[in-house]
Amino acid sequence: SQQGEEDPQALSIQEGENATMNCSYKTSINNLQWYRQNSGRGLVHLILIRSNEREKHSGRLRVTLDTSKKSSSLLITASRAADTASYFCATGPNYGQNFVFGPGTRLSVLP
Amino acid sequence: KAGVTQTPRYLIKTRGQQVTLSCSPISGHRSVSWYQQTPGQGLQFLFEYFSETQRNKGNFPGRFSGRQFSNSRSEMNVSTLELGDSALYLCASSLNMRQGEETQYFGPGTRLLVL
Repeated sequence: SQQGEEDPQALSIQEGENATMNCSYKTSINNLQWYRQNSGRGLVHLILIRSNEREKHSGRLRVTLDTSKKSSSLLITASRAADTASYFCATGPNYGQNFVFGPGTRLSVLP
Repeated sequence: KAGVTQTPRYLIKTRGQQVTLSCSPISGHRSVSWYQQTPGQGLQFLFEYFSETQRNKGNFPGRFSGRQFSNSRSEMNVSTLELGDSALYLCASSLNMRQGEETQYFGPGTRLLVL
């Protein structure tokens, strides 16, 4: 079964608005990563947050991690049409385990 | 540094055939992982190689196999292709899959269509 589950499955906003995506997972993790995928292409790494971190920023991205609730959120501020993509969370491995990706959130930013 | 490269980018095969996909990781990266992405199942882990050894394997049938060469380049092979094998196959490299430290860098993928 999927370790990470993104919510919502799809999100449509206007340019300039903020977009928030959530990710829940089931077991303990060492890190959680967010990736972006433009239609039918490879994934681009956005940000990694370790299990002992609560919040991390990168440009217009803000990621939070709540290990007690086994959840993470990705906030994209002042969205642009170029942010239109699918966003995936991936839970990082404990030794001997592989990364597990959620089903993704499809974000559409309308001009 | 050059990114992860995958060849070919597109491939059309018929049922029963076999296919080999290639991945060249970022220079210095020793871990290579393969994923299958389909609309129905999402991104699913196939296997991971490090220093020519398979360290981890996903839940796929034995028709799916892979290998890694001494220069860290990796290939995956699918034999006796089925219609359901149509997917985007993604390769990702990282320095080493040490826990809590690794970012995976993905290639553009190989889109396989099985007719």
